[in-house]
Amino acid sequence: DADVTQTPRNRITKTGKRIMLECSQTKGHDRMYWYRQDPGLGLRLIYYSFDVKDINKGEISDGYSVSRQAQAKFSLSLESAIPNQTALYFCATSVADTDTQYFGPGTRLTVL
Amino acid sequence: GQQLNQSPQSMFIQEGEDVSMNCTSSSIFNTWLWYKQDPGEGPVLLIALYKAGELTSNGRLTAQFGITRKDSFLNISASIPSDVGIYFCAGQSNSNYQLIWGAGTKLIIKP
Repeated sequence: DADVTQTPRNRITKTGKRIMLECSQTKGHDRMYWYRQDPGLGLRLIYYSFDVKDINKGEISDGYSVSRQAQAKFSLSLESAIPNQTALYFCATSVADTDTQYFGPGTRLTVL
Repeated sequence: GQQLNQSPQSMFIQEGEDVSMNCTSSSIFNTWLWYKQDPGEGPVLLIALYKAGELTSNGRLTAQFGITRKDSFLNISASIPSDVGIYFCAGQSNSNYQLIWGAGTKLIIKP
């Protein structure tokens, strides 16, 4: 079984809809991250959480919100999706005292 | 903000050739990481570097942490078809624990 799972894997939605992307991990890591990947731009950090009570904005948090429901679950929401939020979204986890991040398989989101 | 320049953006190589790619930063990093992303999957860590000058190998892959702490390179020797994918560098400084990512190098092997 995968250590970091993301649901859904693919989603097509319309402008203005609310969307939630979910991430679960069985690695027991405290830290979780949400990234967005666009062609030619690499990975950009949206939000990160160092534990259940800790939520921090990343480089591109506008238009997104997150919820850390438990150590193992970290969800990303788009309250009102817009076309330029079409991208590949990755969840990642890490142990508190290391830099190595472990990634989920990604969610491909298309906003029409 | 911190910037990472990764080059080249893409490479077309023949099977069996050696590959080299690098990343440079506008500021000092204390950690350099190299990841590979296969199509339809998330990035997977290849090599982690923690000391200036450090040279680390993982099979046919070798990476070095530059002496100035502002650059790193990754070499792949004798490339094979499964090496295709996108390679990312990422760096971290003590002043900002967030990873800064390069834009990626896409490796394509000519048939």
